[in-house]
Amino acid sequence: DAGITQSPRHKVTETGTPVTLRCHQTENHRYMYWYRQDPGHGLRLIHYSYGVKDTDKGEVSDGYSVSRSKTEDFLLTLESATSSQTSVYFCAISESGRGGSPLHFGNGTRLTVT
Amino acid sequence: RKEVEQDPGPFNVPEGATVAFNCTYSNSASQSFFWYRQDCRKEPKLLMSVYSSGNEDGRFTAQLNRASQYISLLIRDSKLSDSATYLCVVNGGATNKLIFGTGTLLAVQP
Repeated sequence: DAGITQSPRHKVTETGTPVTLRCHQTENHRYMYWYRQDPGHGLRLIHYSYGVKDTDKGEVSDGYSVSRSKTEDFLLTLESATSSQTSVYFCAISESGRGGSPLHFGNGTRLTVT
Repeated sequence: RKEVEQDPGPFNVPEGATVAFNCTYSNSASQSFFWYRQDCRKEPKLLMSVYSSGNEDGRFTAQLNRASQYISLLIRDSKLSDSATYLCVVNGGATNKLIFGTGTLLAVQP
């Protein structure tokens, strides 16, 4: 399995609080992604990174920010968590960002915003 | 029309049965196609890529029909351990982003 670790695995937080999720990879892949998965919607891309300090928005980026200061780490921050951000968050990596390279996922973070 | 569509199921089949899922996609410029498997409360895992000529991996066969814009996954001799959600993934043509279907649930019964 690809070396991808997400932390924390579970998080319960209150509305309005900031939350940071961490993704760490040991594969030295250039591309990293954050997805959320909700019933009826499948996996939706939040943000992605194509290198250190290089990031871009996905389809559901409102309310989220990301940072990548090292190749191996990609952080997702909810500046002020809302109940609509209750979801399962998956980090993924790929060798290429050209869409022809499959993604490999971390084991997910289950976030509940109360 | 959704960019990637799958029948959500569930497909309830007995052990040993053959089952097939289809997935339709809307962007005729899509070039890359994958099937992922996702167990309950786990991360998606790559099952197989789908090549233009079709490809097989053990009991699993994937096909691509560009004219009708769909891909298929055939599972032969179903096992209890095949019970999972199968996700169809297609790249978005010019955007090169991968787009996920919402998945088809397979339940193999003893």
